[in-house]
Amino acid sequence: AQSVTQLDSHVSVSEGTPVLLRCNYSSSYSPSLFWYVQHPNKGLQLLLKYTSAATLVKGINGFEAEFKKSETSFHLTKPSAHMSDAAEYFCVVIITNAGKSTFGDGTTLTVKP
Amino acid sequence: ETGVTQSPTHLIKTRGQQVTLRCSSQSGHNTVSWYQQALGQGPQFIFQYYREEENGRGNFPPRFSGLQFPNYSSELNVNALELDDSALYLCASSLVRGEDYGYTFGSGTRLTVV
Repeated sequence: AQSVTQLDSHVSVSEGTPVLLRCNYSSSYSPSLFWYVQHPNKGLQLLLKYTSAATLVKGINGFEAEFKKSETSFHLTKPSAHMSDAAEYFCVVIITNAGKSTFGDGTTLTVKP
Repeated sequence: ETGVTQSPTHLIKTRGQQVTLRCSSQSGHNTVSWYQQALGQGPQFIFQYYREEENGRGNFPPRFSGLQFPNYSSELNVNALELDDSALYLCASSLVRGEDYGYTFGSGTRLTVV
């Protein structure tokens, strides 16, 4: 079985300040981990992925995530928030070869001017 | 390179009816997954198809079924619609090892059951 917990349903930051969106996972097998972003009335867009290579993963738009196996975490960060980052963010775990993916409940990021 | 396209974009059905949603995969992708996203929630995995066969299924009843065609387009069929089936249905395509490459999502079909 696998599960994903996004620890914050809402995060609010000021433009230019750092962003931290937290994700913990549980999995019986070696997982692949992803972060997706969903802007209002748009489809999901892949931000970055971890697939057992480097534990620090760089994605698009300045986002990064670090895989910490001992903490079963995959937190998403960005050094400086931009107004265009305001959206819903989803952490996703996919079990290798099982064809099954599990999404977290999402974190709504608000960026204040 | 084309993305994933879904049709229709919006649909209203009556409880008890049947519905078919369609998805055209991104060029070169041979795996398709379907998700249900209720309002305010994350997408829930329905099932995945690889080379026209079901390759994994989430916790959805048998009245949710699918097809994948030789050109890798696919359908999601839902029978005996219930009010709780109202949601955004997302299709995502990938290369065979979606866990390596990630998924490309369509914009979804908004289904309302009345």
